[in-house]
Amino acid sequence: GNSVTQMEGPVTLSEEAFLTINCTYTATGYPSLFWYVQYPGEGLQLLLKATKADDKGSNKGFEATYRKETTSFHLEKGSVQVSDSAVYFCAQFMDTGRRALTFGSGTRLQVQP
Amino acid sequence: NAGVTQTPKFRVLKTGQSMTLLCAQDMNHEYMYWYRQDPGMGLRLIHYSVGEGTTAKGEVPDGYNVSRLKKQNFLLGLESAAPSQTSVYFCASSDRAGSYNEQFFGPGTRLTVL
Repeated sequence: GNSVTQMEGPVTLSEEAFLTINCTYTATGYPSLFWYVQYPGEGLQLLLKATKADDKGSNKGFEATYRKETTSFHLEKGSVQVSDSAVYFCAQFMDTGRRALTFGSGTRLQVQP
Repeated sequence: NAGVTQTPKFRVLKTGQSMTLLCAQDMNHEYMYWYRQDPGMGLRLIHYSVGEGTTAKGEVPDGYNVSRLKKQNFLLGLESAAPSQTSVYFCASSDRAGSYNEQFFGPGTRLTVL
């Protein structure tokens, strides 16, 4: 079946450090890929997405590139801020079957001043 | 626009009690979803609806029922709560179920079953 695997957290960084959160997927087909962010006490918000191979999604300084050859969608940011502290979820969506998001387990990011 | 709202925000139940979680959206979305979030497991789909009057099972439907009598509301029911249903429940909605259609999430309901 379809699944998403994320790196274990928490990830603890100092402000202005470089961030990478790894995400890989398995799918029978070519899914769309997403990163969602959950700030403390809130629901999930869409951060960025990519709908086909080699697409790059970007938003708020975050980027992720859809790599079909490695089935990956790693999240990166060049310089994190304390306000980026949150839980990040990688997810995939297939336009067939149940047509719903399949999420990874989430990665908690803690940015220290 | 309020977006997606959920009531209640918190609830504690005893084993065997019943309750209903309400999700409401004011974006005129066709699709609505119920997920549960458990530590280390991400979000898992419980049930979903592709339009008013329709419902379908997701990944973990056992022990839950849903109804979509009005387009803007999606109710999740627990007929006989069990400790295994202790979780955070999120509702989401989208215009259509396609890769280009963002799902909008509510703030969540934290449920504890003793």
